[in-house]
Order: sequence, then structure tokens, then C-alpha cells
Amino acid sequence: GAGVSQSPRYKVAKRGQDVALRCDPISGHVSLFWYQQALGQGPEFLTYFQNEAQLDKSGLPSDRFFAERPEGSVSTLKIQRTQQEDSAVYLCASSLFGEEQFFGPGTRLTVL
Amino acid sequence: GNSVTQMEGPVTLSEEAFLTINCTYTATGYPSLFWYVQYPGEGLQLLLKATKADDKGSNKGFEATYRKETTSFHLEKGSVQVSDSAVYFCALSKGRDDKIIFGKGTRLHILP
Repeated sequence: GAGVSQSPRYKVAKRGQDVALRCDPISGHVSLFWYQQALGQGPEFLTYFQNEAQLDKSGLPSDRFFAERPEGSVSTLKIQRTQQEDSAVYLCASSLFGEEQFFGPGTRLTVL
Repeated sequence: GNSVTQMEGPVTLSEEAFLTINCTYTATGYPSLFWYVQYPGEGLQLLLKATKADDKGSNKGFEATYRKETTSFHLEKGSVQVSDSAVYFCALSKGRDDKIIFGKGTRLHILP
């Protein structure tokens, strides 16, 4: 069956550009998480949705980061005015009812 | 706050050697503990988990025991294979639908 998919897989942005990263969770999964993984580090939590409700956004590093999941399925992570420190792999994960989180392949963002 | 500390890599072993990757955690209460694996070019996968003290998680020949008295969750395998080469992450979660807190990861190289 289809797993979590993310697009694009790779994104290169010039500093100051806005980017949008897409996550398609496993069909029917209620919970959706975004994580940021810097080079050589473990993933770090950004934000969490249950259906369309964003219940926790405590990990978003600045107000340039914004996430939405308007219909409780696909989610978009938007980063405005990208900076070099935003370069990382952005991971999306989904779970059915809070059990195992299934991770997508990630989007590698490089800000020049 | 809650955190995970795991041994730094890279770890290089010969095929059929015994593997231990140390992991300790800091958390209040009774977190669930996990080992995730990231094979080259692939997404994060759950390798094993334990949800309460003295539980042993196991999968694909890997084992880890939840030790509350030492706040540890060391990963072991009796005889590693070249195909085990990957990055291994120790992680914890405080409950269902809660964010996962990851260690920095340990890169494992197995030589034939």
C-alpha cells in the first residue's frame, strides 16, 4: 500500500525566497507531524495536526514557518523568506490513532 | 526537559560481530522508547519499541530492553550483516500522539 509521500524531494531556494513543502499522509491517518532534520542530527519536532486542527506548533523555529492541513489530509509546510539556517531535510509522519508514526522520505531543502 | 543521548559514530564492525549501541534518556514519568533506522536513500523506519520498564523490544535480530533504573535502552545484535549498515536513532515519546524526541543518530558500517 501507499506510504507517506512528500514533494518535492529536493528543493533549492535562494535566500529570501518562499517555499512550500507538501505531505500526503497515509489515507485515513488522523495524526500528522512535521520534523526538521539538520545534517548529522536527529529529527526535531516542528508541529502536529489532528485532522485539520493544529494542536501543537511549539517546535516551529520562527514566525517564518507556517503549516496547514485544511481538509485533514494533505499538509503543507511553508517557509517564508528562507535563510541559510533553514537548510535541512523536512520529514512528515502520519499515524492512525496515535500509535506508530510512519515517516515519508523527506524533502531536502538547500538555501543558497 | 526530555532528551535522548546515544553513542556517537561512526561505528565500524566486521560482518558477524556483536553490536551494541548505547542509549540513555532523560524524561519524567514513563516514556515509550524506540529505535528507528534509516537505510541509505530510504526514510525512517521503526525498528523496535518498548512501552514500559523491563519490556524487551525485538525485530530482525535486534533487541533492546527498557531499563528504568539506569534510564537506558541499548540496542544489541548478536551477529551483524552488511545489510545492517545504516543510521540508527534512539528516541522517546511521552504518550500516544505525542511528538518523538530523537537522539543524534549513530552511523553503522559493516564490513564484509
